[in-house]
Amino acid sequence: DAKTTQPPSMDCAEGRAANLPCNHSTISGNEYVYWYRQIHSQGPQYIIHGLKNNETNEMASLIITEDRKSSTLILPHATLRDTAVYYCIVRVEYREYGNKLVFGAGTILRVKS
Amino acid sequence: NAGVMQNPRHLVRRRGQEARLRCSPVKGHSHVYWYRQLPEEGLKFMVYLQKENIIDESGMPKERFSAEFPKEGPSILRIQQVVRGDSAAYFCASSPKDVGTEAFFGQGTRLTVV
Repeated sequence: DAKTTQPPSMDCAEGRAANLPCNHSTISGNEYVYWYRQIHSQGPQYIIHGLKNNETNEMASLIITEDRKSSTLILPHATLRDTAVYYCIVRVEYREYGNKLVFGAGTILRVKS
Repeated sequence: NAGVMQNPRHLVRRRGQEARLRCSPVKGHSHVYWYRQLPEEGLKFMVYLQKENIIDESGMPKERFSAEFPKEGPSILRIQQVVRGDSAAYFCASSPKDVGTEAFFGQGTRLTVV
Protein backbone atom coordinates (compact mmCIF):
# COMPACT_ATOMS: atom_id res chain seq x y z
CA ASP A 1 0.00 0.00 0.00
CA ALA A 2 1.28 3.44 -0.86
CA LYS A 3 1.81 5.43 2.32
CA THR A 4 1.15 9.08 2.91
CA THR A 5 2.98 11.61 5.08
CA GLN A 6 1.26 14.69 6.44
CA PRO A 7 2.29 17.31 8.99
CA PRO A 8 0.64 16.60 12.34
CA SER A 9 -0.89 20.04 12.68
CA MET A 10 -1.30 23.41 10.98
CA ASP A 11 -2.82 26.75 11.86
CA CYS A 12 -4.61 29.04 9.47
CA ALA A 13 -6.16 32.48 9.86
CA GLU A 14 -9.86 32.74 9.17
CA GLY A 15 -10.53 33.95 5.64
CA ARG A 16 -7.12 32.94 4.36
CA ALA A 17 -6.33 29.97 2.16
CA ALA A 18 -5.37 26.78 3.94
CA ASN A 19 -2.80 24.70 2.06
CA LEU A 20 -2.45 21.17 3.38
CA PRO A 21 0.46 19.16 1.96
CA CYS A 22 0.70 15.40 1.53
CA ASN A 23 3.58 13.23 0.38
CA HIS A 24 2.88 9.91 -1.34
CA SER A 25 6.17 9.07 -3.03
CA THR A 26 5.36 5.36 -3.55
CA ILE A 27 2.04 5.91 -5.28
CA SER A 28 1.26 3.64 -8.23
CA GLY A 29 0.05 4.81 -11.59
CA ASN A 30 -3.55 3.74 -11.06
CA GLU A 31 -3.96 4.84 -7.45
CA TYR A 32 -6.12 7.82 -6.64
CA VAL A 33 -5.42 10.47 -4.03
CA TYR A 34 -8.38 11.13 -1.75
CA TRP A 35 -8.96 13.75 0.90
CA TYR A 36 -11.40 13.39 3.76
CA ARG A 37 -11.91 15.35 6.93
CA GLN A 38 -13.33 14.55 10.33
CA ILE A 39 -14.88 17.30 12.37
CA HIS A 40 -14.94 16.65 16.08
CA SER A 41 -15.45 12.86 16.00
CA GLN A 42 -18.24 12.99 13.43
CA GLY A 43 -18.15 10.58 10.52
CA PRO A 44 -15.44 11.41 7.98
CA GLN A 45 -16.55 13.65 5.17
CA TYR A 46 -15.39 13.27 1.60
CA ILE A 47 -13.73 16.39 0.19
CA ILE A 48 -12.15 15.65 -3.16
CA HIS A 49 -10.12 13.10 -5.09
CA GLY A 50 -7.89 12.99 -8.16
CA LEU A 51 -5.65 10.80 -10.25
CA LYS A 52 -3.33 13.01 -12.30
CA ASN A 53 -4.98 16.32 -13.05
CA ASN A 54 -5.76 19.10 -10.65
CA GLU A 55 -9.32 19.04 -9.41
CA THR A 56 -11.68 21.64 -8.00
CA ASN A 57 -15.11 21.43 -6.46
CA GLU A 58 -17.27 23.60 -4.23
CA MET A 59 -15.26 22.67 -1.16
CA ALA A 60 -11.65 22.67 -2.22
CA SER A 61 -8.96 22.34 -4.86
CA LEU A 62 -6.53 19.48 -5.22
CA ILE A 63 -3.14 20.10 -6.77
CA ILE A 64 -1.17 16.96 -7.71
CA THR A 65 2.46 17.32 -8.79
CA GLU A 66 3.42 16.07 -12.21
CA ASP A 67 5.34 13.12 -10.80
CA ARG A 68 2.34 12.39 -8.50
CA LYS A 69 4.60 12.04 -5.48
CA SER A 70 2.87 14.78 -3.55
CA SER A 71 -0.31 16.80 -3.49
CA THR A 72 -1.81 19.84 -1.79
CA LEU A 73 -5.35 20.36 -0.64
CA ILE A 74 -6.40 24.00 -0.80
CA LEU A 75 -9.32 25.44 1.14
CA PRO A 76 -9.56 28.84 -0.52
CA HIS A 77 -11.21 30.79 2.30
CA ALA A 78 -10.95 28.90 5.54
CA THR A 79 -13.65 29.41 8.17
CA LEU A 80 -13.80 28.36 11.80
CA ARG A 81 -16.01 25.45 10.76
CA ASP A 82 -13.14 24.05 8.70
CA THR A 83 -11.27 23.18 11.88
CA ALA A 84 -10.91 19.41 11.61
CA VAL A 85 -8.54 16.52 11.04
CA TYR A 86 -7.72 16.24 7.34
CA TYR A 87 -6.74 12.89 5.92
CA CYS A 88 -4.83 12.34 2.71
CA ILE A 89 -5.35 8.79 1.47
CA VAL A 90 -4.06 6.79 -1.42
CA ARG A 91 -6.77 4.39 -2.29
CA VAL A 92 -5.90 0.74 -2.49
CA GLU A 93 -7.64 -0.93 -5.36
CA TYR A 94 -8.90 -4.45 -5.70
CA ARG A 95 -9.28 -5.84 -9.14
CA GLU A 96 -12.98 -6.23 -10.00
CA TYR A 97 -14.16 -5.24 -6.53
CA GLY A 98 -13.36 -1.66 -5.79
CA ASN A 99 -11.33 0.05 -3.17
CA LYS A 100 -10.74 0.43 0.51
CA LEU A 101 -9.52 3.52 2.34
CA VAL A 102 -6.63 3.33 4.77
CA PHE A 103 -6.46 6.35 7.08
CA GLY A 104 -3.23 7.72 8.51
CA ALA A 105 -2.89 10.17 11.38
CA GLY A 106 -3.91 13.15 9.28
CA THR A 107 -3.30 16.86 9.83
CA ILE A 108 -5.13 18.76 12.53
CA LEU A 109 -6.08 22.06 10.96
CA ARG A 110 -6.94 24.83 13.37
CA VAL A 111 -8.58 27.85 11.84
CA LYS A 112 -8.22 30.86 14.10
CA SER A 113 -10.05 34.17 14.11
CA ASN B 1 -22.54 11.70 4.87
CA ALA B 2 -25.95 11.71 3.29
CA GLY B 3 -27.68 8.38 3.23
CA VAL B 4 -25.54 6.08 5.40
CA MET B 5 -27.54 5.28 8.50
CA GLN B 6 -26.01 3.70 11.54
CA ASN B 7 -27.89 2.57 14.59
CA PRO B 8 -27.87 2.80 17.40
CA ARG B 9 -25.90 6.02 17.73
CA HIS B 10 -24.94 5.13 21.27
CA LEU B 11 -24.78 1.67 22.78
CA VAL B 12 -23.91 0.68 26.33
CA ARG B 13 -23.08 -2.92 27.13
CA ARG B 14 -21.83 -4.71 30.21
CA ARG B 15 -18.71 -6.81 29.94
CA GLY B 16 -19.53 -10.20 28.48
CA GLN B 17 -22.62 -9.09 26.58
CA GLU B 18 -23.01 -8.95 22.82
CA ALA B 19 -23.07 -5.78 20.76
CA ARG B 20 -24.77 -5.56 17.36
CA LEU B 21 -24.10 -2.50 15.25
CA ARG B 22 -26.16 -1.87 12.14
CA CYS B 23 -25.33 0.01 8.98
CA SER B 24 -27.71 0.79 6.14
CA PRO B 25 -25.67 1.96 3.14
CA VAL B 26 -26.63 4.59 0.64
CA LYS B 27 -29.36 3.19 -1.61
CA GLY B 28 -27.77 1.36 -4.48
CA HIS B 29 -24.35 1.02 -2.88
CA SER B 30 -23.10 -2.53 -2.78
CA HIS B 31 -19.83 -2.01 -0.86
CA VAL B 32 -19.66 -1.51 2.87
CA TYR B 33 -16.65 -0.78 5.07
CA TRP B 34 -16.36 -0.80 8.85
CA TYR B 35 -13.85 1.26 10.80
CA ARG B 36 -13.06 1.60 14.48
CA GLN B 37 -11.82 4.71 16.21
CA LEU B 38 -10.52 4.42 19.73
CA PRO B 39 -10.58 7.58 21.87
CA GLU B 40 -8.01 10.11 20.68
CA GLU B 41 -6.83 7.80 17.90
CA GLY B 42 -7.24 7.53 14.15
CA LEU B 43 -9.63 5.46 12.09
CA LYS B 44 -8.61 1.84 11.73
CA PHE B 45 -9.95 -0.28 8.91
CA MET B 46 -11.71 -3.42 10.07
CA VAL B 47 -13.55 -5.11 7.23
CA TYR B 48 -14.75 -4.58 3.69
CA LEU B 49 -17.86 -6.36 2.47
CA GLN B 50 -19.78 -6.67 -0.70
CA LYS B 51 -23.29 -8.12 -0.77
CA GLU B 52 -23.03 -11.58 0.82
CA ASN B 53 -19.23 -11.57 0.53
CA ILE B 54 -16.36 -10.58 2.78
CA ILE B 55 -13.72 -9.00 0.55
CA ASP B 56 -11.12 -8.03 3.13
CA GLU B 57 -11.23 -8.70 6.86
CA SER B 58 -7.57 -8.02 7.55
CA GLY B 59 -8.41 -5.46 10.24
CA MET B 60 -10.81 -7.59 12.21
CA PRO B 61 -9.68 -9.03 15.53
CA LYS B 62 -9.37 -12.79 15.23
CA GLU B 63 -11.88 -13.55 17.95
CA ARG B 64 -15.27 -12.23 19.04
CA PHE B 65 -15.77 -9.95 16.01
CA SER B 66 -17.77 -10.79 12.91
CA ALA B 67 -19.45 -8.87 10.11
CA GLU B 68 -22.00 -9.60 7.47
CA PHE B 69 -23.75 -7.81 4.64
CA PRO B 70 -26.70 -9.95 3.57
CA LYS B 71 -28.51 -9.74 0.29
CA GLU B 72 -31.37 -8.01 2.03
CA GLY B 73 -31.09 -5.70 5.02
CA PRO B 74 -28.32 -3.77 6.71
CA SER B 75 -24.75 -4.73 7.32
CA ILE B 76 -24.15 -5.97 10.86
CA LEU B 77 -20.98 -5.76 12.93
CA ARG B 78 -21.24 -8.16 15.81
CA ILE B 79 -19.02 -8.17 18.87
CA GLN B 80 -19.43 -11.08 21.24
CA GLN B 81 -18.44 -11.04 24.91
CA VAL B 82 -17.48 -7.39 24.86
CA VAL B 83 -14.59 -6.13 26.97
CA ARG B 84 -13.77 -2.58 28.06
CA GLY B 85 -11.16 -2.30 25.31
CA ASP B 86 -13.95 -2.57 22.73
CA SER B 87 -15.23 0.85 23.78
CA ALA B 88 -14.85 3.00 20.69
CA ALA B 89 -16.66 4.71 17.85
CA TYR B 90 -17.50 2.37 15.00
CA PHE B 91 -18.02 3.95 11.62
CA CYS B 92 -19.55 2.44 8.54
CA ALA B 93 -19.02 3.67 5.00
CA SER B 94 -20.53 2.68 1.69
CA SER B 95 -19.57 3.18 -1.92
CA PRO B 96 -20.98 2.23 -5.28
CA LYS B 97 -19.43 -0.44 -7.39
CA ASP B 98 -17.38 1.80 -9.61
CA VAL B 99 -13.68 2.23 -9.02
CA GLY B 100 -12.53 5.75 -8.28
CA THR B 101 -15.62 6.97 -6.50
CA GLU B 102 -15.93 8.37 -3.04
CA ALA B 103 -17.16 6.54 0.03
CA PHE B 104 -19.82 8.03 2.27
CA PHE B 105 -19.60 7.62 6.03
CA GLY B 106 -22.29 7.35 8.64
CA GLN B 107 -22.23 9.23 11.93
CA GLY B 108 -21.00 6.22 13.81
CA THR B 109 -22.05 4.12 16.77
CA ARG B 110 -20.37 4.90 20.05
CA LEU B 111 -20.00 1.74 22.06
CA THR B 112 -19.33 1.98 25.76
CA VAL B 113 -18.56 -1.16 27.71
CA VAL B 114 -19.09 -0.86 31.43
